[in-house]
Amino acid sequence: DAGVIQSPRHEVTEMGQEVTLRCKPISGHDYLFWYRQTMMRGLELLIYFNNNVPIDDSGMPEDRFSAKMPNASFSTLKIQPSEPRDSAVYFCASSFKGLPTDTQYFGPGTRLTVL
Amino acid sequence: AQTVTQSQPEMSVQEAETVTLSCTYDTSENNYYLFWYKQPPSRQMILVIRQEAYKQQNATENRFSVNFQKAAKSFSLKISDSQLGDTAMYFCAFMKQRGYGQNFVFGPGTRLSVLP
Repeated sequence: DAGVIQSPRHEVTEMGQEVTLRCKPISGHDYLFWYRQTMMRGLELLIYFNNNVPIDDSGMPEDRFSAKMPNASFSTLKIQPSEPRDSAVYFCASSFKGLPTDTQYFGPGTRLTVL
Repeated sequence: AQTVTQSQPEMSVQEAETVTLSCTYDTSENNYYLFWYKQPPSRQMILVIRQEAYKQQNATENRFSVNFQKAAKSFSLKISDSQLGDTAMYFCAFMKQRGYGQNFVFGPGTRLSVLP
């Protein structure tokens, strides 16, 4: 398997623009996670899905952020409108059954810069 | 709320030597899981080792081992025979027994440099 795939790897946009980050989990994994990593706040869980259904979105910072998983092989994280403080590395991860004993496999991340 | 602390922002070690990274955590839970993740310059997070709190035996994975002191809420990572490829950020993480969601808390990380 190719592992968790994220696109784009880098994104530079201007304040106010819509940004869409994409993720393809490992085939057969039931759980998908979105994380944000910043110098100030470290690595934070934003939202996670089980079988395409959002289970916990309490980590989503505000209404400008939304995530969808239309099918088992694709998820998006959208920011609209984007702000400079959204600049971060966004990771997608997937795991088989979402148990603590299951390994989460991370994608390479998308580095977002909002000017 | 759970917190995870890594008191060493940066460390360095000579190749082939042994290094220990520190992690402490705060929780009122009795059953939980602890993890060490590695983030090399490629940025991808990789699970290094996992410890279940109800297991007294310290987890080991090849050159990586932990010293889990439940009463002290301490979870250190020992890397033996350090290799250049071990150069990375290392994150300690805590998870309640119930599983994911906001129960997964990461520490601020320790930057490890392995010197030739």
